[in-house]
Amino acid sequence: QKEVEQDPGPLSVPEGAIVSLNCTYSNSAFQYFMWYRQYSRKGPELLMYTYSSGNKEDGRFTAQVDKSSKYISLFIRDSQPSDSATYLCAMRRDSSYKLIFGSGTRLLVRP
Amino acid sequence: EAGVTQFPSHSVIEKGQTVTLRCDPISGHDNLYWYRRVMGKEIKFLLHFVKESKQDESGMPNNRFLAERTGGTYSTLKVQPAELEDSGVYFCASSLHTDTQYFGPGTRLTVL
Repeated sequence: QKEVEQDPGPLSVPEGAIVSLNCTYSNSAFQYFMWYRQYSRKGPELLMYTYSSGNKEDGRFTAQVDKSSKYISLFIRDSQPSDSATYLCAMRRDSSYKLIFGSGTRLLVRP
Repeated sequence: EAGVTQFPSHSVIEKGQTVTLRCDPISGHDNLYWYRRVMGKEIKFLLHFVKESKQDESGMPNNRFLAERTGGTYSTLKVQPAELEDSGVYFCASSLHTDTQYFGPGTRLTVL
């Protein structure tokens, strides 16, 4: 069983929609949670970084962490075609630098 | 400020050959990481350097892989001899402290 599960998609939405991306995990020791965006043939780019449970907002992006359910989410408001990319969740334990990634969700925002 | 750079961007080699990948981290970043993504799988950790020392190499798949970071600056990852299952995208990342890891564009390795 994978430590981090993520639906690969693709997820196709119209421009302006609210997008919800999710990951579940099995290791309760994870304390740091990240969302990366990856465009085709590029490296992952950090979008959001959250410690422990709670919400964090940055512009059109909101990250939520529910440690009791081992579930994290990324919401994108007013989605744009430029948001079309693969979104990767990643997490790590307090005592390790090693990032554990989900497999990524492909998002397509249609004009 | 320049980001993490990797060279080459793409390498095609035959099984049994040797390939060396290079990573230049962001200037001043003591922490350097190697990850790889094989087709259809998630990105997986290979190893972590702090300056020139290997802090964690638990993700290295076998002894055909050798990573070095001479002088605590750039790093190389050598695969010798390459096997078909080594094909994938190899990412390098660097960080100043424990938080944000900045990724390079990756090297796409194809072993024929």
